[in-house]
Amino acid sequence: GAVVSQHPSWVICKSGTSVKIECRSLDFQATTMFWYRQFPKQSLMLMATSNEGSKATYEQGVEKDKFLINHASLTLSTLTVTSAHPEDSSFYICGPLMGGAGNTEAFFGQGTRLTVV
Amino acid sequence: AQSVSQHNHHVILSEAASLELGCNYSYGGTVNLFWYVQYPGQHLQLLLKYFSGDPLVKGIKGFEAEFIKSKFSFNLRKPSVQWSDTAEYFCAVRGAGNMLTFGGGTRLMVKP
Repeated sequence: GAVVSQHPSWVICKSGTSVKIECRSLDFQATTMFWYRQFPKQSLMLMATSNEGSKATYEQGVEKDKFLINHASLTLSTLTVTSAHPEDSSFYICGPLMGGAGNTEAFFGQGTRLTVV
Repeated sequence: AQSVSQHNHHVILSEAASLELGCNYSYGGTVNLFWYVQYPGQHLQLLLKYFSGDPLVKGIKGFEAEFIKSKFSFNLRKPSVQWSDTAEYFCAVRGAGNMLTFGGGTRLMVKP
């Protein structure tokens, strides 16, 4: 299967600081990247969808100025949580979509557990 | 818009009991269906998937699921659970837009 690397796997930051999460597709090109968030004891919720070289599309209720997504290349996308607050503490997961593929398995990064103190 | 509903939020079973977790989705077009498992402290792992063909799909660790198109269902089954199956299980649907929509998850606890 395809290899997806998400970094860091966990991070603790102070309230008001920014955190950058990287997601790399190591052996395929991801034309589309999905970013999900999972709060404790809840399901994964789609935050945003980005296509390489384009602005991301955010789901309702997700602040685009707070969660900055960059998808500058086919193998790397980043999610930056700006001015993080404790309520942003969550598990963030990237899901790159293999380019040119029809029915394919969905791939995920290992996830990043963010704790804002 | 597509949506996924998992009926059981918490399930507690004894070892060797049979398992069936319900999953219903709402979407009018062609769908891809997935079941993922998330063990405590770990990331999502794919159990099985359905794209087309035989509606009864077999996955890893003895799990299987049946796609019943008329019922918009994709229930997960295992004939005999083990303590190591304790985890959270997520059903997911991929329809329009290629993104996955997840169900709320079912937390399974297997008593030894």
